Amino acid sequence: LAKTTQPISMDSYEGQEVNITCSHNNIATNDYITWYQQFPSQGPRFIIQGYKTKVTNEVASLFIPADRKSSTLSLPRVSLSDTAVYYCLVVPSGNTGKLIFGQGTTLQVKP
Amino acid sequence: DAGITQSPRHKVTETGTPVTLRCHQTENHRYMYWYRQDPGHGLRLIHYSYGVKDTDKGEVSDGYSVSRSKTEDFLLTLESATSSQTSVYFCAISESRGHSYEQYFGPGTRLTVT
Repeated sequence: LAKTTQPISMDSYEGQEVNITCSHNNIATNDYITWYQQFPSQGPRFIIQGYKTKVTNEVASLFIPADRKSSTLSLPRVSLSDTAVYYCLVVPSGNTGKLIFGQGTTLQVKP
Repeated sequence: DAGITQSPRHKVTETGTPVTLRCHQTENHRYMYWYRQDPGHGLRLIHYSYGVKDTDKGEVSDGYSVSRSKTEDFLLTLESATSSQTSVYFCAISESRGHSYEQYFGPGTRLTVT
């Protein structure tokens, strides 16, 4: 499984756009990129998944450059409730669900 | 929210005692997982199941066993609890749908081994 590297922590203010970048230099051709969010005292929650270019849903956007060696999770206009840990995962196609979570990025949104 | 419950939600036990944690789902999903989460380690996969009576080891399986006799239930057993197994335990479920790798997590069980 490809190793991922992301910042340990980030600070932002309400109303700002937040971009969290994840590095995955050893990503394989059939791997997908997935992001999860975890609030304190809760289990992680799936946010978004992509293979290449850009994916957008009601929560976030995911940007993946052509070489796929990195990806950026973009959260538009964050609020205090977006304070959480964000995990970047690389998942092989056909995976039985064995996810490898790293340390994640702790995002602190300030008023 | 996906129908996943975990029991108990909190447990304090003594070193050397057996402990069983239960995960119950109402979604009829094929895959079920047990993770533990410790400060500084993120989530680590203990065991997972890809069907009734079909299980396999994860990253940190030593000291743990699992059983799945019904689709809806996945049990995690600590045969002889140790202080190093003090942790928060999360159960998760998923269903294979093409390239979707979304897992749904339960509320967690906080286990303290004294």
